[in-house]
Amino acid sequence: NAGVTQTPKFRILKIGQSMTLQCAQDMNHNYMYWYRQDPGMGLKLIYYSVGAGITDKGEVPNGYNVSRSTTEDFPLRLELAAPSQTSVYFCASSDQGARDQFFGPGTRLTVL
Amino acid sequence: AQSVTQLDSQVPVFEEAPVELRCNYSSSVSVYLFWYVQYPNQGLQLLLKYLSGSTLVKGINGFEAEFNKSQTSFHLRKPSVHISDTAEYFCAVSVPNTGGFKTIFGAGTRLFVKA
Repeated sequence: NAGVTQTPKFRILKIGQSMTLQCAQDMNHNYMYWYRQDPGMGLKLIYYSVGAGITDKGEVPNGYNVSRSTTEDFPLRLELAAPSQTSVYFCASSDQGARDQFFGPGTRLTVL
Repeated sequence: AQSVTQLDSQVPVFEEAPVELRCNYSSSVSVYLFWYVQYPNQGLQLLLKYLSGSTLVKGINGFEAEFNKSQTSFHLRKPSVHISDTAEYFCAVSVPNTGGFKTIFGAGTRLFVKA
């Protein structure tokens, strides 16, 4: 049982490039989340999903897109990278919306 | 609107001393409450949670928290800390939202345990 896995661990992008952050979970959780963590700011919710085929915006969705074609996978796409997207990105999952979340190890992204 | 306030951004403490990390929330509806811990370069792990029942909740690594509804607080305590407790701690609340629940995280408190 691997829990929540994220790839890559680190990435450096140039302004305007695109990339997809991968997230997968093997706990059969319906709920999945993407957060970004900036120093001293806690976690901000980017997008979330309550099940395959259903996604919705969080607090800070601009510049990102998601899809949820399967229960296991929830990739996050950056289309035109900007320096403001330099952050650590965490994926998480839970079996219900109100319950505790299981977090992946994070992806550290730098946009130069 | 709901919010979570962690009153201390950093808490330095000596090893074997007690510690309290403070968390206040605001919500007009019932909430579920959580504390997570984040060790350096890792994701968050659940420390403990309050869903209902006894207001004193015990978690992993000797931590406990008390839910105080009248003061809308959920402070985290440990009677004797170890160097290995050095980490960032996040308080979070889950509140009802359209289509389910949403979780709001505090800004975090960095606990630094000194020898």
